[in-house]
Amino acid sequence: GESVGLHLPTLSVQEGDNSIINCAYSNSASDYFIWYKQESGKGPQFIIDIRSNMDKRQGQRVTVLLNKTVKHLSLQIAATQPGDSAVYFCAEMRVSGGYQKVTFGTGTKLQVIP
Amino acid sequence: NAGVMQNPRHLVRRRGQEARLRCSPMKGHSHVYWYRQLPEEGLKFMVYLQKENIIDESGMPKERFSAEFPKEGPSILRIQQVVRGDSAAYFCASSPPGGNTGELFFGEGSRLTVL
Repeated sequence: GESVGLHLPTLSVQEGDNSIINCAYSNSASDYFIWYKQESGKGPQFIIDIRSNMDKRQGQRVTVLLNKTVKHLSLQIAATQPGDSAVYFCAEMRVSGGYQKVTFGTGTKLQVIP
Repeated sequence: NAGVMQNPRHLVRRRGQEARLRCSPMKGHSHVYWYRQLPEEGLKFMVYLQKENIIDESGMPKERFSAEFPKEGPSILRIQQVVRGDSAAYFCASSPPGGNTGELFFGEGSRLTVL
C-alpha cells in the first residue's frame, strides 16, 4: 500500500554539526510533503512543508529537499543544537474527498551530542 | 490563542471498561483529526471529522471505536470494552477551513494504559 518510510531509526550528531534526515515515499500522488518534530511526551509540531512541484525549500536553519525521480525527501538542520533532539517524522499530504489527508512515516530519532 | 486541548492527558482503564478521550480544536478550526501512536512508532490516521460529520473513518477499527464532533463541545473518541492492545497515545489535531499544505496543529495527546 501507499506509505512513507524512513531509512534510519536513530541519528547521532555532534552539537554544531549539520544533520540530514532522510525519508523515502511511495505515493506519487502526494500534493505536499511535510516534516514534523516530536519531543518526548509531546505532540508533533510542524516544521516545514514543500509542495510536490518544488525541489527545495528553506526555513530558519532547516532545508527540505525533494527528489521526485527517486521519491526521496530529506530534512537538513544547520548547526544542530541540543534543543533539536527529538523524533522527526516525514509525512505526505494529498487532498482526498475534499480534505487534506496526512500520512506519517515511522520516524527518526535525532540525538544531539553536546 | 489556546492550542489544541486534549484531556485527560493520562487514562488508566481495566480490560472491558470504556475510555473517552476529548479534544477541543484551536479557535477557528473546524477540522479535527485523530491519530494513534504506539510506543516507538509513527502516527496512524484513525478518523477525520468536521462539525457534526464524520468525513473519513477509514483508519478506525470497525468495532468498539467511535468518534464524534458535535455542534457544541469537544470532539470525543470513544473506545468501548478496551483491551490491552488499545494502550497507546491518542493525538488529536486540528486545521483551519481551507487548510491545504498538510500543516496540522496537534495537542499533547492522551495516553491510555489498559491493565
